Order: sequence, then C-alpha cells, then structure tokens
Amino acid sequence: QKEVEQNSGPLSVPEGAIASLNCTYSDRGSQSFFWYRQYSGKSPELIMSIYSNGDKEDGRFTAQLNKASQYVSLLIRDSQPSDSATYLCAASGAGSYQLTFGKGTKLSVIP
Amino acid sequence: DAGVIQSPRHEVTEMGQEVTLRCKPISGHNSLFWYRQTMMRGLELLIYFNNNVPIDDSGMPEDRFSAKMPNASFSTLKIQPSEPRDSAVYFCASSLAPEQGLEGYTFGSGTRLTVV
Repeated sequence: QKEVEQNSGPLSVPEGAIASLNCTYSDRGSQSFFWYRQYSGKSPELIMSIYSNGDKEDGRFTAQLNKASQYVSLLIRDSQPSDSATYLCAASGAGSYQLTFGKGTKLSVIP
Repeated sequence: DAGVIQSPRHEVTEMGQEVTLRCKPISGHNSLFWYRQTMMRGLELLIYFNNNVPIDDSGMPEDRFSAKMPNASFSTLKIQPSEPRDSAVYFCASSLAPEQGLEGYTFGSGTRLTVV
C-alpha cells in the first residue's frame, strides 16, 4: 500500500515567518513529487513539482527532496495570511502516472 | 483554456437514486483521473484513463461505481444505487502524460455530493 504521510496540523506561523511543511512517502520507487494548495471549499491547485534530490525554488516557495530518506518538504518564506490553506503532498508510483496524496497539512498564517 | 470542467457543482440525492457526475478535461490532455475527497480519507484515486482507456480502476469502491470516457473530451462517473456513505467531494483531474513526463494534474472545481 503506497502511502504519503503528512502532519495534519494545524500549523500556525506569524505573518512574515517561514512556514515549513513536511511529507514522507513509502514507495521507494516514486519519482515525481508535487505540492498542492487547497483553500477551503476549493479544488487543489498545483504550486510546486520536484523530481531530483535537492532544492527547487519558485518565488517564495522552496521544495526540498531527499530520496534516500523518502522525505519531501515545502518552505514558504515571508508567509502571508493569503497562504492560509491546506497543503497536500503527492507522489507518483514507480513507473506510474498516478499520484498518491497525503491528507494535507492545514497552515494558518497569523497577521 | 477553461480548465477542467465538472458538473454539477452540487448534487443532493436520495439514497438508492442514480447519480451521474460529468467531466470535460483540458483540451489536449491525454490522462484523466477521478478522485474522491473526504475528511477521514483525504483524496482517493478512483479510476485513471489514458487515451480514453481505463488503465486502473482498483480504487473504485464497489460495483455500484462505474466510469466511462467515450471520447477525449468527456467522462462520466456513475453511482447506482447511491448510499449516504458516498457523500463526498468528487474531483476530476487531467494531465499530459507520459510522453512529456509526469506533470502535475489540473483539477476541476469538484462536485459536492450529498446522499440523504
């Protein structure tokens, strides 16, 4: 059973701080990893993808991947109240186009 | 592009009734996915189509659930008969895969199904 685990939170950070979201996955053959943001009552929205070990930066967002530890993280710098949402981590299966999602971490950015 | 279009946005039905959810993927996307989201179980993959062919339906919970993709621009998910435990948000998503590598999915707005 492929699993993606996330701390459900809520994670509360003050405005302007760095928010750190973490995710582990069970399928060692997973090759592609994604972070989605989901506002309450809305659909998931892709914000980051990462395929290789290391860091990938896009604006205020940095995704980090460590395949040896089966660990993915998302850093949000200069957090804003508009970043308050649930963040879903997803991983592909080995040789598969199907994504397995974690249950998400709820982030609250306090003004 | 209008994105992935799902209908209806909300559906309230009585137990035992047939429910049909509809999805129009992004033009040019060759993979389509149906997911169900609940608080308890999160996002669960129900079925995956590639080039209109069902590839993996192992997530379909019971024979009461069926899905079709008659052409590249339309898919349906049918529940017959519906039960209260089917109440959830059902998302359709599409992507370009695998020729361009695995891209993230684009989700539709979802259908919130309530079975009473």
